[in-house]
Amino acid sequence: DAKTTQPNSMESNEEEPVHLPCNHSTISGTDYIHWYRQLPSQGPEYVIHGLTSNVNNRMASLAIAEDRKSSTLILHRATLRDAAVYYCIPNTGTASKLTFGTGTRLQVTL
Amino acid sequence: NAGVTQTPKFQVLKTGQSMTLQCAQDMNHNSMYWYRQDPGMGLRLIYYSASEGTTDKGEVPNGYNVSRLNKREFSLRLESAAPSQTSVYFCASSDGPQIAKNIQYFGAGTRLSVL
Repeated sequence: DAKTTQPNSMESNEEEPVHLPCNHSTISGTDYIHWYRQLPSQGPEYVIHGLTSNVNNRMASLAIAEDRKSSTLILHRATLRDAAVYYCIPNTGTASKLTFGTGTRLQVTL
Repeated sequence: NAGVTQTPKFQVLKTGQSMTLQCAQDMNHNSMYWYRQDPGMGLRLIYYSASEGTTDKGEVPNGYNVSRLNKREFSLRLESAAPSQTSVYFCASSDGPQIAKNIQYFGAGTRLSVL
């Protein structure tokens, strides 16, 4: 499985953009990059995924480096409801499982 | 919009007792999964079922058994609970093991304490 490195924690002010980085230097050429988040006392929820080009959806944007060794999840305007642990997960393909690391705990303050 | 439903939400067991955690999904998904999450850690896969009639071990299967009862339901059984199995258990489902589409939908979790 590809190994990921994320900061343990980050802080943001409400209404400001947040850039959550992830390094995945051992990712293979066919692995997708998935992002999930886990709100307090809840199960993880899917946020976004991509392969090579940048992706947008209603929740966030995903910027993938040209060499695919890193990616950044972008929350355009953080709200208090975005306070969660964010997981970057390379999808290794042959297995269905998702390998969760410890993620980045995002705190959002007024 | 039920999605993935887990029962019970909370459970306290004594060492050596047995119990079954239930999971049902209403999204017609092929694949289902059981994870555990210990305090301050990420989720670890216990077992998964890629399709109805199949089950496979994940990262931490020891002490657990599973049954894919039908396409909707996937249960996790602890035959003889141990304090090390105190954890939060999450069930998930997905369309299938295709690379791009392995988006998993999670239940709210079962908080289990083994005394």
